[in-house]
Amino acid sequence: AQSVTQLDSQVPVFEEAPVELRCNYSSSVSVYLFWYVQYPNQGLQLLLKYLSGSTLVKSINGFEAEFNKSQTSFHLRKPSVHISDTAEYFCAVSEGKLIFGQGTELSVKP
Amino acid sequence: IAGITQAPTSQILAAGRRMTLRCTQDMRHNAMYWYRQDLGLGLRLIHYSNTAGTTGKGEVPDGYSVSRANTDDFPLTLASAVPSQTSVYFCASSEEGTSYNEQFFGPGTRLTVL
Repeated sequence: AQSVTQLDSQVPVFEEAPVELRCNYSSSVSVYLFWYVQYPNQGLQLLLKYLSGSTLVKSINGFEAEFNKSQTSFHLRKPSVHISDTAEYFCAVSEGKLIFGQGTELSVKP
Repeated sequence: IAGITQAPTSQILAAGRRMTLRCTQDMRHNAMYWYRQDLGLGLRLIHYSNTAGTTGKGEVPDGYSVSRANTDDFPLTLASAVPSQTSVYFCASSEEGTSYNEQFFGPGTRLTVL
């Protein structure tokens, strides 16, 4: 069965610092990979996704993630975070239906 | 465009009571989903529907039922609520029920069962 592990439940960082949110998945077949973001008191929104092709995918607000098949990872990175990036981030894998990780709470401090 | 609406926003319910959480989308999406979100567990799929008239069980279906009479509405019913059903419930939809489609989420319903 598929599973997704987000290795950090909480990541505190200072504004303008780089950040990496780690995600590992287990699957025996080709998968589609997603990162969703949940701002406080809101539903989830798609941040970026990997379906095929280039292993590096980017969002419009500066986040990027790289699909690494050999390490079964899909880590999310941003070179310089803003206060407004404070949110919970969920990694998800799909072979049919979405399976979500436990979530990582990113807290950006001034 | 409203997207997905959920009602109520929050509810406190006595154990043993029946409760229906409402979900409506205006995007004409074929597929709809119900998730529950619990701290440390992420989101878990309760039930889904790939098209009007069909439903399927997700990861945690016990104690919940759904119906899909039309494209827009996908209510979730708790026949006899128990405290372990205290959670935040999210409804979502996607154009189709395929693996690669983006899912769009509603704002959630916070349910407390006492």
